[in-house]
Amino acid sequence: AQKITQTQPGMFVQEKEAVTLDCTYDTSDPSYGLFWYKQPSSGEMIFLIYQGSYDQQNATEGRYSLNFQKARKSANLVISASQLGDSAMYFCAMREGRGGGYNKLIFGAGTRLAVHP
Amino acid sequence: DTAVSQTPKYLVTQMGNDKSIKCEQNLGHDTMYWYKQDSKKFLKIMFSYNNKELIINETVPNRFSPKSPDKAHLNLHINSLELGDSAVYFCASSQNRVSDTQYFGPGTRLTVL
Repeated sequence: AQKITQTQPGMFVQEKEAVTLDCTYDTSDPSYGLFWYKQPSSGEMIFLIYQGSYDQQNATEGRYSLNFQKARKSANLVISASQLGDSAMYFCAMREGRGGGYNKLIFGAGTRLAVHP
Repeated sequence: DTAVSQTPKYLVTQMGNDKSIKCEQNLGHDTMYWYKQDSKKFLKIMFSYNNKELIINETVPNRFSPKSPDKAHLNLHINSLELGDSAVYFCASSQNRVSDTQYFGPGTRLTVL
């Protein structure tokens, strides 16, 4: 079964608008972390934001916020005031609770975001 | 200062050849990883090393052999390259808690002709 599901292969948004990228996950581990990465056309993987399973507050980093709904197992990324430079592939990923190198990242299929002027 | 570096950035080679990709991190992390991104952009773990010890080997063919000479380096050697090995290979590193971010290298685009 898919552990991380991103149901939107592509999204577009008008510059300066907000956009939500969906991510649902599946785990039975009570301790896990959720990450979002951005991959621009240049190919590098850029870390954006992290949410821990025990965190009470939704994570925010500048224009990025994570809408974490634990009961629904969703961790949607919200980008406010979109900029042209936000056009990229966005990946949701989960890291489960074992330490010591066991906690690999499991990635979703990604959502390609296009920001239009 | 580059945190996680990989060389080379591009690698074009013939089927059957052997090639290596090198990775170095200067973040002082204990764990390093290799991920493969296929042509559909799907990213999957291949290996992880913690303090030079192999932890994860995710059903990767044994033509792929990682080597970690020290905590800061994790190299990937691939024997008898096949067309299906064409992909982007990312090295990453992190500390070991669930909350610790994995930082990725710039990727190596391998093309097997």
